[in-house]
Amino acid sequence: EIVLTQSPATLSLSPGERATLSCRASQSVSSYLAWYQQKPGQAPRLLIYDASNRATGIPARFSGSGSGTDFTLTISSLEPEDFAVYYCQQRSNWLVTFGGGTKVEIK
Amino acid sequence: QVQLVESGGGLVKPGGSLRLSCAASGFTFSDYYMSWIRQAPGKGLEWVSYISSSGSTIYYADSVKGRFTISRDNAKNSLYLQMNSLRAEDTAVYYCARMSSGSAFDIWGQGTMVTVSS
Repeated sequence: EIVLTQSPATLSLSPGERATLSCRASQSVSSYLAWYQQKPGQAPRLLIYDASNRATGIPARFSGSGSGTDFTLTISSLEPEDFAVYYCQQRSNWLVTFGGGTKVEIK
Repeated sequence: QVQLVESGGGLVKPGGSLRLSCAASGFTFSDYYMSWIRQAPGKGLEWVSYISSSGSTIYYADSVKGRFTISRDNAKNSLYLQMNSLRAEDTAVYYCARMSSGSAFDIWGQGTMVTVSS
């Protein structure tokens, strides 16, 4: 099973600041890496698929990069609605795993 | 609009069974792989199972293998999860989700809560 490790666990930032979230895989997942945003009491929402493609309706301030084992989600300038938990996810060898999540909180 | 609606959650005793359903609308259900994903209270996301568009390919997480069965009825635009031998650690919100061609989950339901407790 491929393990996804997200860091940091918590990111404390102010609106307008840049957020950089990391996801590291225990072995290569090529570019089959997705990112999700989840707010309290809501289902997750797909932000990025295939490492760097924004999902439909996702603002341009969200961007993804990386391949192989190291991936990054960047939020260029935090809006108030961006404070949430973010998860990465991969599917490899027919099995799916999620990272443990990064909480982006208001500083 | 594209929508997934889960139902069937509730309170069940350890060792009991429950069947979850997910009704799809707004897209051609039979074209997509579908999945169940769960989230224990205050915890992260855990993939449970997925099924191919025809139902011929199925995979499970080790934590549920042999106890849970995923199925689908393309004529009824519905996805199911039969859960047997339930344990306290199966307590979670269960989401159904559509798998896009890139293996990401692009549409999610609102979730249904399953509580396993005596």
